[in-house]
Amino acid sequence: ETGVTQTPRHLVMGMTNKKSLKCEQHLGHNAMYWYKQSAKKPLELMFVYNFKEQTENNSVPSRFSPECPNSSHLFLHLHTLQPEDSALYLCASSQQANEFTDTQYFGPGTRLTVL
Amino acid sequence: GQNIDQPTEMTATEGAIVQINCTYQTSGFNGLFWYQQHAGEAPTFLSYNVLDGLEEKGRFSSFLSRSKGYSYLLLKELQMKDSASYLCAVLDSNYQLIWGAGTKLIIKP
Repeated sequence: ETGVTQTPRHLVMGMTNKKSLKCEQHLGHNAMYWYKQSAKKPLELMFVYNFKEQTENNSVPSRFSPECPNSSHLFLHLHTLQPEDSALYLCASSQQANEFTDTQYFGPGTRLTVL
Repeated sequence: GQNIDQPTEMTATEGAIVQINCTYQTSGFNGLFWYQQHAGEAPTFLSYNVLDGLEEKGRFSSFLSRSKGYSYLLLKELQMKDSASYLCAVLDSNYQLIWGAGTKLIIKP
């Protein structure tokens, strides 16, 4: 299933670089999410957008900056990252945030390595 | 605090049955999800339980006991392709998904 796509799939960057992750959903959903997945840890919710409005920012450092230009696209802008930011970054979408039986559909993720 | 517990890793044999448990302590409960995630791939939705009891979907079944804060995912007739991580997640009273760390299931021939 390719309802949610993410690019790039792999990214290696230095601590002084600036890069962006892109997510696109083709499911007609109105909510989009960024998650961080580290080995052997639960998924960490970073940001939630509902109808293009940011509704959640779970104390994420300012070196991560989300952007949601429309309901189908979501970006995560990265700058001056730290090695501990290395992880799999997953994008997800759902019909609408905070819905009772809202199932989230995930993209394949971007494997980020910060040197 | 909110907490989801599931075993880190399990091993089972092809053709056998395996049960992956999940216990939770959350602020409210609006349902429990199971997702499957193959290495390097997206988590994919398996099941959703909000009422007590067993939900069956082919080889996979999911059980919920709200009074015990407990769920399990039952996989029958295991196939090699079932080797993956299985993620348990609970929708809390604020409709936030609280995730477990996942159970890595290894299937041996």
